[in-house]
Formats: sequence, C-alpha cells, structure tokens
Amino acid sequence: DTAVSQTPKYLVTQMGNDKSIKCEQNLGHDTMYWYKQDSKKFLKIMFSYNNKELIINETVPNRFSPKSPDKAHLNLHINSLELGDSAVYFCASSHDWDGPGEKLFFGSGTQLSVL
Amino acid sequence: QKEVEQNSGPLSVPEGAIASLNCTYSDRGSQSFFWYRQYSGKSPELIMSIYSNGDKEDGRFTAQLNKASQYVSLLIRDSQPSDSATYLCAVRNNAGNMLTFGGGTRLMVKP
Repeated sequence: DTAVSQTPKYLVTQMGNDKSIKCEQNLGHDTMYWYKQDSKKFLKIMFSYNNKELIINETVPNRFSPKSPDKAHLNLHINSLELGDSAVYFCASSHDWDGPGEKLFFGSGTQLSVL
Repeated sequence: QKEVEQNSGPLSVPEGAIASLNCTYSDRGSQSFFWYRQYSGKSPELIMSIYSNGDKEDGRFTAQLNKASQYVSLLIRDSQPSDSATYLCAVRNNAGNMLTFGGGTRLMVKP
C-alpha cells in the first residue's frame, strides 16, 4: 500500500551508461516531482509535472529526461551517466502544484552510485 | 547566499531537553514554511507547517515564524532518542510553485 513507490532502491553503474528510475503514486495526486539529494543532504528540485505536463525544469543537464505517461507515473531517464550524478534521487507527489500548504509525499529514494 | 540556510550540526542534546533548530531564508515574499524530518537512509516526512508569524504547537513540537527577520525555528520539547534525525527546513516561494529546502540540521538526542 506504499503511497509513492520508486524503483530501484539501489543503482550501481559505470560512467557513460544510461539508466532509468521509475516512480508511481497511488494517492490520486496531480503533481509529481524529482528531487536530488547530494552527500551534504541538500534536497534540490529537478522537475515538476502537473497532470503530465512539465511545470518546473530547474537547471539540470539535458542528459536527464523525465517522462510522465500518466499523472500517476513520473520516470527519470539519465543518459551518459557521470560521477557527479551519484546521489539519492527522490520522487515525490502532492495534491496540487501551487497551493501554499501543499504537503509533499516522498518515495523511499534511489541511491545512484556511478563508478 | 543560499536561499534557505540551516546549521548542519550535529546538534547534540540530552534526553528530556529542548532541542532548538533554526532556519533563515532569503526570499522576503515567502509565505509557507515547513519542517521535514529525515531519518538516516529514509525519505523526508512532514512534521510541521507554519504560515503566519508567531508560534504553532503540535504535541512536543513548536514551530516559530518571524517574517520580519526571515527566520523560522523548530523547538522539540522533552527530546527523545527517537527524535535523532536530520531536520530539513523548507520554504515555499511567493508564487507558491517552488519549495526550496535547506541543507538540514542533524539532531542527536543522547540517552
């Protein structure tokens, strides 16, 4: 009954490879996000989708491409992985995208290690 | 200047004491403020939100907001070892469409 689920939990790969992280939410929320948390614990937003449409696209290399086939899914594909991409990636969802009190529900995170 | 700043800690307090966690933000027009707790290896979870100046209490937690000073804090009374975690301050911008997190303060409550 996990509200926001993302897979895989751990991803270890070589530089230059292409990988994907999948995310699904069963909360009926309209908005989904990808956040990156670096080793210093800074959580930084990467993308936000509202009803399958891209709302926020922060300064992220174009090697990162989100895809939202429907409002319950937001996947993240990363091309040509680099050492600096190593981090924990969190998927999150919220009921709406611009409500002042919107609570974020986070997935369990994907620890990406690029060797 | 980072948009949301927190002392990374660790902040160490004895069990039963009051833990005080602080956060400053740069966007004067920010309207919504949140505290998330993140246990090691886990995802963040919302514990408090505050929108107006003053104090907001929820059980052992009190959030305090001072918009003039661009300062928000979290007090944890009767701290327990289970409160040991990283506390992330988050601020929603004036337009309401962007939530910015601070780097978190690691709290350690010692029995």
